[in-house]
Amino acid sequence: DTGVSQDPRHKITKRGQNVTFRCDPISEHNRLYWYRQTLGQGPEFLTYFQNEAQLEKSRLLSDRFSAERPKGSFSTLEIQRTEQGDSAMYLCASSSWTGGEETQYFGPGTRLLVL
Amino acid sequence: DQQVKQNSPSLSVQEGRISILNCDYTNSMFDYFLWYKKYPAEGPTFLISISSIKDKNEDGRFTVFLNKSAKHLSLHIVPSQPGDSAVYFCAATTDNYGQNFVFGPGTRLSVLP
Repeated sequence: DTGVSQDPRHKITKRGQNVTFRCDPISEHNRLYWYRQTLGQGPEFLTYFQNEAQLEKSRLLSDRFSAERPKGSFSTLEIQRTEQGDSAMYLCASSSWTGGEETQYFGPGTRLLVL
Repeated sequence: DQQVKQNSPSLSVQEGRISILNCDYTNSMFDYFLWYKKYPAEGPTFLISISSIKDKNEDGRFTVFLNKSAKHLSLHIVPSQPGDSAVYFCAATTDNYGQNFVFGPGTRLSVLP
């Protein structure tokens, strides 16, 4: 068990550019989540997958955001035409859910700065 | 409209004393609660959880208390250690709502040597 990993750890981009983040969950975890965290706030839910199916998207996830988990393992989060308001920490979490209580395990996050 | 609130942005405690972090929630559907700890430049780390069928759960120096009628939970750390200095997040969800954890804004704990 190597934990949840995220790549890159930091990204600086110019407004209007596209960025893509990758998350590798804990092996065998069937659920994978994306969150966004800004300064002084807790993580805010963006979207989640159960295996390869994207089951829910938050209203925070505008149509500039897209996430995939093509083989039910790693996931990517793409932001198109980035805006300064997209600057935040993007967190990925995974869990092994078989019904009932669930504990999510987080990666170290990708810190995005949009100039 | 914050469903999970942590009204103390920061807390300072002397090493060896008890740290008490508080969390309030408004959604009565929540029935599973978790505490996460976060160091700078790292993701949140799971600490301890409690189901609504219990009023207390203990793991080493960490104990979480749940008061369902008051919609309040607290995390006690005894004794506090300098390594406990971090931001602590309270999170809430339901068994059938597990895909959407709702996090509080966090409390920064500083344990002074």
